[in-house]
Amino acid sequence: SQQGEEDPQALSIQEGENATMNCSYKTSINNLQWYRQNSGRGLVHLILIRSNEREKHSGRLRVTLDTSKKSSSLLITASRAADTASYFCATDAGNAGKSTFGDGTTLTVKP
Amino acid sequence: EADIYQTPRYLVIGTGKKITLECSQTMGHDKMYWYQQDPGMELHLIHYSYGVNSTEKGDLSSESTVSRIRTEHFPLTLESARPSHTSQYLCASSEFGRDYGYTFGSGTRLTVV
Repeated sequence: SQQGEEDPQALSIQEGENATMNCSYKTSINNLQWYRQNSGRGLVHLILIRSNEREKHSGRLRVTLDTSKKSSSLLITASRAADTASYFCATDAGNAGKSTFGDGTTLTVKP
Repeated sequence: EADIYQTPRYLVIGTGKKITLECSQTMGHDKMYWYQQDPGMELHLIHYSYGVNSTEKGDLSSESTVSRIRTEHFPLTLESARPSHTSQYLCASSEFGRDYGYTFGSGTRLTVV
């Protein structure tokens, strides 16, 4: 079954609000990555957090990792309409360098 | 902008045709991957490669084949396309031993009629 699972499946917020999405996984990992995908396009790598890190920031993005709970969260602060996209987590479990992707959270930011 | 290119961007073909989806990257990455993704759904790994002359099947059974004769090139071939192959195909690459994540191409949207 899926290594990474995101929730919620869909999230709709107003511009300026914060968006939080979560990812849970099943096995021990080397790192966890978050990606954004605009409709009909490829994925864009946003941020990677290693298993020995607990929090990481990049611009308006904040990622946390709790390895004891096997979960991660992605927070987008002060959201913009341009943040509307699907967001995927992916886990690298040291499985020969392959990352496993979750099924994504669809974020809609209303202007 | 990502230095990984997929062509064609869109393809509509008839059942039974042989097709090759192209993927090239200019970053010198050793690892390359093909994922299949239906609209709004998760990504499924169908093939991957760790370098020249290395190819492996992924987690999702696929009737496609791949080759890796050059580092920069990782084409995917369907010998006889069927409507069940209709999907988006995403190519990605990453660098061995570095925690940088994957770089994805823009994808090929395949429709088999």
